[in-house]
Amino acid sequence: DAGVTQSPTHLIKTRGQQVTLRCSPKSGHDTVSWYQQALGQGPQFIFQYYEEEERQRGNFPDRFSGHQFPNYSSELNVNALLLGDSALYLCASSLWPSGGGELFFGEGSRLTVL
Amino acid sequence: GNSVTQMEGPVTLSEEAFLTINCTYTATGYPSLFWYVQYPGEGLQLLLKATKADDKGSNKGFEATYRKETTSFHLEKGSVQVSDSAVYFCAHSPTTSGTYKYIFGTGTRLKVLA
Repeated sequence: DAGVTQSPTHLIKTRGQQVTLRCSPKSGHDTVSWYQQALGQGPQFIFQYYEEEERQRGNFPDRFSGHQFPNYSSELNVNALLLGDSALYLCASSLWPSGGGELFFGEGSRLTVL
Repeated sequence: GNSVTQMEGPVTLSEEAFLTINCTYTATGYPSLFWYVQYPGEGLQLLLKATKADDKGSNKGFEATYRKETTSFHLEKGSVQVSDSAVYFCAHSPTTSGTYKYIFGTGTRLKVLA
């Protein structure tokens, strides 16, 4: 049973560039959430997708956007990268509604912005 | 607002020592409570959870009890092993529909020495 898979695992960008991160949820799951984990910090909620719509959003600027596809996979896009966007980006999948339920995390995409 | 506070690390113990990692939370309503563990180079894995007051979550020798009166969910293990070395995150999530944002603490790094 495939778990949550993310790509790429590592990438380096420069300020002002744009990045796209990808996530495939665990088999049978229909909901994808994205989290940003800065070095030495806990994960911070970015947004959640279900039925190809953004359902909930955390305190992140509009530079952060996402998409969910009919096969439940998801992308996270970040425009106009800043140094402060350097972090581990985690994708988590679950079943809707996921309030109170378990999140299954991927290993993350580590983004470095120079 | 909603938050999770956990004790700062790193925590360094000898093998077979007793472990306690403190966690307190603020939340509206009655959230579910979780402990996640992150091993080096990996994503977060659910360690245990509790969904209502006085519930005890347990897994792999770890335990935590949902204490509503003290808004706490402290993690304990009677005898730690070197393989328990990891970062531990306390988290809560709402159980009411419409909000599915998980709140994580900053993490506590545990190092167990042989």
